[in-house]
Amino acid sequence: AQSVTQLDSHVSVSEGTPVLLRCNYSSSYSPSLFWYVQHPNKGLQLLLKYTSAATLVKGINGFEAEFKKSETSFHLTKPSAHMSDAAEYFCVVPRPLSGGYNKLIFGAGTRLAVHP
Amino acid sequence: GAVVSQHPSWVICKSGTSVKIECRSLDFQATTMFWYRQFPKQSLMLMATSNEGSKATYEQGVEKDKFLINHASLTLSTLTVTSAHPEDSSFYICSAREDRDRVYTETQYFGPGTRLLVL
Repeated sequence: AQSVTQLDSHVSVSEGTPVLLRCNYSSSYSPSLFWYVQHPNKGLQLLLKYTSAATLVKGINGFEAEFKKSETSFHLTKPSAHMSDAAEYFCVVPRPLSGGYNKLIFGAGTRLAVHP
Repeated sequence: GAVVSQHPSWVICKSGTSVKIECRSLDFQATTMFWYRQFPKQSLMLMATSNEGSKATYEQGVEKDKFLINHASLTLSTLTVTSAHPEDSSFYICSAREDRDRVYTETQYFGPGTRLLVL
């Protein structure tokens, strides 16, 4: 069965420094993978998704993630953090169901704090 | 882009009353929608999958008589929390997938959430 593990529950960075949010996945086949962001008291916004095309995926707001099959990882990065990046980030893997759609399996989330 | 709305954004109710939350896909058809529950500082927990024109599929441990789901059209699903109690207080989020998306590459679009407080 598909699952994801987010390795850090909290990450704190200074504004202007790089961001690294780590995610490992478990799947019996090469899965799709997503990163979603949730700002306080808001719904979720899709940052980027990997669907077996290019292994380096570029998303919105300067984020990108690299799918590494050998390491079963899909870490999220950004070269320079902005104050507005402070939020909760979820790594997500879809689990196909017989009804012809996916059930999303969420990681526990990583709370990113950005300090001036 | 695809937009999902929820109404209301927050609601306060007395214990024992019922509360209905609406989830709408504004610019696409969604045969399938999903309802999640999120406790403070926790991840999302899938409660049920809502299918237009058929019964919802509930996750293990979710009381279907407590959380009534109706998916009456291709753009609207509703979640009714019946006889609400303080332990039902939570953040409820819906999502929807576009009908035209292939399963492998589909994206789910999330609503902004509804915060329920039961007194």
